[in-house]
Amino acid sequence: AQSVTQPDIHITVSEGASLELRCNYSYGATPYLFWYVQSPGQGLQLLLKYFSGDTLVQGIKGFEAEFKRSQSSFNLRKPSVHWSDAAEYFCAVGAPQFYFGTGTSLTVIP
Amino acid sequence: GAGVSQSPSNKVTEKGKDVELRCDPISGHTALYWYRQSLGQGLEFLIYFQGNSAPDKSGLPSDRFSAERTGGSVSTLTIQRTQQEDSAVYLCASSPLADYNEQFFGPGTRLTVL
Repeated sequence: AQSVTQPDIHITVSEGASLELRCNYSYGATPYLFWYVQSPGQGLQLLLKYFSGDTLVQGIKGFEAEFKRSQSSFNLRKPSVHWSDAAEYFCAVGAPQFYFGTGTSLTVIP
Repeated sequence: GAGVSQSPSNKVTEKGKDVELRCDPISGHTALYWYRQSLGQGLEFLIYFQGNSAPDKSGLPSDRFSAERTGGSVSTLTIQRTQQEDSAVYLCASSPLADYNEQFFGPGTRLTVL
């Protein structure tokens, strides 16, 4: 069965610090992987996606993610967090319908 | 261009009433999806339409939930005899094709069942 696990419900980082949000998936075929961000009162915005090819993908707002098939992971990273990055982050797998993780809430402290 | 729009943005109803939620996808997108986001939960897939094919209803939680898509464009999600556990944000998304594509999400409809 397809599923996504985001082990960290909530993460707090200092502005300027690096960030890594974890995502593990279970999927029977080649996974199509996505990271979305949801800011308070906003809709979901795509940060990046992986379909095939280079396992390190670059996204918007300085985010990147690395697909590791052996670990069934697709962790999201950012080298230096900005206060505006505070939001809820969702990892998703699938096609056509998405299976989402439960999200990781990011707090950024000055 | 215009994104996915949903109406109403907020809906408060009484237990037992029926509600209809509307989604206008991005023009030209053939695939349309409905998800539900409950407090403290992730996003739960409900139903998906692709062109003129029969919809995938595998995510609908009960037979009180139904959806239709008219003319391959606008979609309506109907919840009959609403229950308090139906309270959630209902999100609609569309994509150019069903497979191998990102989905573009609307702002959602927040449903509150009293």
